[in-house]
Amino acid sequence: NAGVMQNPRHLVRRRGQEARLRCSPMKGHSHVYWYRQLPEEGLKFMVYLQKENIIDESGMPKERFSAEFPKEGPSILRIQQVVRGDSAAYFCASSPLRGKVLYEQYFGPGTRLTVT
Amino acid sequence: AQKVTQAQTEISVVEKEDVTLDCVYETRDTTYYLFWYKQPPSGELVFLIRRNSFDEQNEISGRYSWNFQKSTSSFNFTITASQVVDSAVYFCALRPLKTSYDKVIFGPGTSLSVIP
Repeated sequence: NAGVMQNPRHLVRRRGQEARLRCSPMKGHSHVYWYRQLPEEGLKFMVYLQKENIIDESGMPKERFSAEFPKEGPSILRIQQVVRGDSAAYFCASSPLRGKVLYEQYFGPGTRLTVT
Repeated sequence: AQKVTQAQTEISVVEKEDVTLDCVYETRDTTYYLFWYKQPPSGELVFLIRRNSFDEQNEISGRYSWNFQKSTSSFNFTITASQVVDSAVYFCALRPLKTSYDKVIFGPGTSLSVIP
């Protein structure tokens, strides 16, 4: 069973461009979480999604950032018009749902975004 | 408020010394999980341990041990006979379970350097 996959692992964008980060959850996992790790800081929650639904986006910046988890395909975190302050590592995690209990979050290797 | 504090920003030890990483958490929830993750220089997050708030029994896994003290809201991590490969950033994290979906709250991390 492959782990959580994220691509690309490294992404370089110029200011003003768009960044698309992809996350494929573990097989059988229907819940995806995105976290951001700014340099020298811990991970901060951004958004929690189920298939085709955003459950909690309280950690997402109000502008330029969006996330989706379509019925088919990976979850996408999209950053429009990137700025230097968006440079960070973006981690995706997934978890299964058994009954009404959410279990462990498994983290992907992260995507390191550098904005030049 | 839900919060995780890791007061030690950076620690340096000489190989074979023991080292304890401190973690103090805040939560109003009576049911929660606590975690430790390791982030080596390569950047991925490595899961080390999960602890249920109902289980205060200390745990030992090889050179690693964890001391959970609910009375002081602490979940400290000790590495015995440290090795150079232990050099990494270590994150303590909290997952409250009162809500039907979980958001992992990370501490700021402690950077451990083990000097040969």
